This record gives sequence, C-alpha cells and structure tokens, in this order.
Amino acid sequence: EAGVAQSPRYKIIEKRQSVAFWCNPISGHATLYWYQQILGQGPKLLIQFQNNGVVDDSQLPKDRFSAERLKGVDSTLKIQPAKLEDSAVYLCASSQTSGASYEQYFGPGTRLTVT
Amino acid sequence: DQQVKQNSPSLSVQEGRISILNCDYTNSMFDYFLWYKKYPAEGPTFLISISSIKDKNEDGRFTVFLNKSAKHLSLHIVPSQPGDSAVYFCASWAETGANNLFFGTGTRLTVIP
Repeated sequence: EAGVAQSPRYKIIEKRQSVAFWCNPISGHATLYWYQQILGQGPKLLIQFQNNGVVDDSQLPKDRFSAERLKGVDSTLKIQPAKLEDSAVYLCASSQTSGASYEQYFGPGTRLTVT
Repeated sequence: DQQVKQNSPSLSVQEGRISILNCDYTNSMFDYFLWYKKYPAEGPTFLISISSIKDKNEDGRFTVFLNKSAKHLSLHIVPSQPGDSAVYFCASWAETGANNLFFGTGTRLTVIP
C-alpha cells in the first residue's frame, strides 16, 4: 500500500513570496490533514478535510494560508505572502473515516525555509 | 494551551535495557492516546495506541500504560535497540468536537550500543 506522498520535500523562499505544497493521501482515506511542525515542537493542525469539505480550519492563518482539496483526493496548501515565522515542516496526513479514524498516517513533510 | 506535554526532551538508554517515555495530558475528554515515532527527514509513523477504557496495551517490545486518574501515559520499550533511536511523540484524540490529534513536543530517544 502506497503511503502519503508530498512534494516538494524542501523549499527555500524569501519573505513575502508565495509557495504551494502538494499532498496525495493513502488511497481510500477520506480524511486529510495539514500540520505545521516548528522546530522543537509537535505537529500542530492547520486544517482538516473530510472528502473535499473543510471540517476544521480554526488554526489556519487565513490571511495568508489557504488550502483546497479538489475531488476529495489530492490537496494543496498555499502560503501568500510568506513570513519568517512560517519556516517549519509542513506535514500532510490521512486517515480512514471509520474504525480507527484516530490513526493518522503521515507523509514525509515539506521543509520550508523563509529567508 | 498545551493539552499534551512531554517534559523530557531527551533520553539515553543502553541497548538491551528498558526505555520509558512519559506523557501528561490535561483534557479528560480524550478517548485515544497514541505514540508516534519520527526519524529525521521522515514523517511521524504510528507506533501504538490505547483507548481510554484500557490501562495497558502491548505490541511486541512496545507497551503503553495509561493512568487516567493521573492523566498520565507512558511508553515502555523492552529491550531497547539502536534502531529505536528517534523522536517519540505522544498524541491524544477526542471522539467529540474536532477529531484531530493534539501532539506533545516530543522526546528524543538515543539507544547506545
């Protein structure tokens, strides 16, 4: 079974530039999550999708961050404009909708450096 | 507000001995508790979980203990192996409300050969 795929793996941009990350979840997983992990901290949820609908985006800085999940499969997370404090690893995860829905499977992450 | 806390940022253990990683939480509404393992440049990997109605769950060398009255859980690894060296995250999940995971800050385990 293929895992969660993310790209790119690394990205370096200057502040005020824009950037986009892509995620392809495990096949059949209806729930998709984007997390931000700042160095030395645990992952923090940014947004959760159920199919192509948003379940929770209360922690998403909506003035600069946006995310979409077209057709309920792949998802993109965008930052525009980026700030220095956005430097972090952005993790995508997916889970089943039934059974052990709390078991989330993570991709390798995208390490973003904002200079 | 940090609902899940891991107060030990690092732990070193000799190969073959027991590793004990600790986690505390504040929200009594959590229904499941999970441990994730993370290697450098990789995403966290699910390791083991426990329901709030249990006090112990075992999977091979890994055992998780839950003390609900103390709002404390621990992960025991016996025997520890060098390949266990990684960052371990404790996470909690509630059935009600937003179904998302709350993570601790992680403990870096180093198993010395």
